[in-house]
Amino acid sequence: DSGVTQTPKHLITATGQRVTLRCSPRSGDLSVYWYQQSLDQGLQFLIHYYNGEERAKGNILERFSAQQFPDLHSELNLSSLELGDSALYFCASSVGGLAGLETQYFGPGTRLLVL
Amino acid sequence: EDQVTQSPEALRLQEGESSSLNCSYTVSGLRGLFWYRQDPGKGPEFLFTLYSAGEEKEKERLKATLTKKESFLHITAPKPEDSATYLCAAAYSGAGSYQLTFGKGTKLSVIP
Repeated sequence: DSGVTQTPKHLITATGQRVTLRCSPRSGDLSVYWYQQSLDQGLQFLIHYYNGEERAKGNILERFSAQQFPDLHSELNLSSLELGDSALYFCASSVGGLAGLETQYFGPGTRLLVL
Repeated sequence: EDQVTQSPEALRLQEGESSSLNCSYTVSGLRGLFWYRQDPGKGPEFLFTLYSAGEEKEKERLKATLTKKESFLHITAPKPEDSATYLCAAAYSGAGSYQLTFGKGTKLSVIP
């Protein structure tokens, strides 16, 4: 158990809908990272927040957005969902925000299925 | 285009049969090269970070090395519990502060 929690574990929704995925980092960690993992694309870095501020952005679609709240939990919002958004979404956390070089601890993931 | 390529895609080893996994990268301004282990349906588990060519790190039966173009994960005398997918990732200077790109992984199966 990494200490990172993600909810929900599974999510089934329809095309065009909007969903919110939630992540709570390990106690004491200030950074949260979001990733998408699909069979064809592999693991893709989406976005990194450090202490409430966006630190780096990867291959995140404009339909997706994220934020980190004062209590350090983070939410990833996915809107106008398409079939291709079906994937495992992972959250990770680290102690600081050193340009992506810190050891990251991954949560168990949220499996999203868009029908 | 910045890329991280892992080979082979899959590897079957007999218990005790040592081998190496390869991660080649073509990125500008490498800041760090990571290795992770991922079990089916679970999040990746951190193994190593390498920062500069010539660096080596070891942990139990695993040893990671880094050159200017690639990294190797050597597995010595593997056991069935080493079966997993091994991912490498490169952190490098990019748009904004940095970028992070993962390879597609090597699926390792160790047969008793």
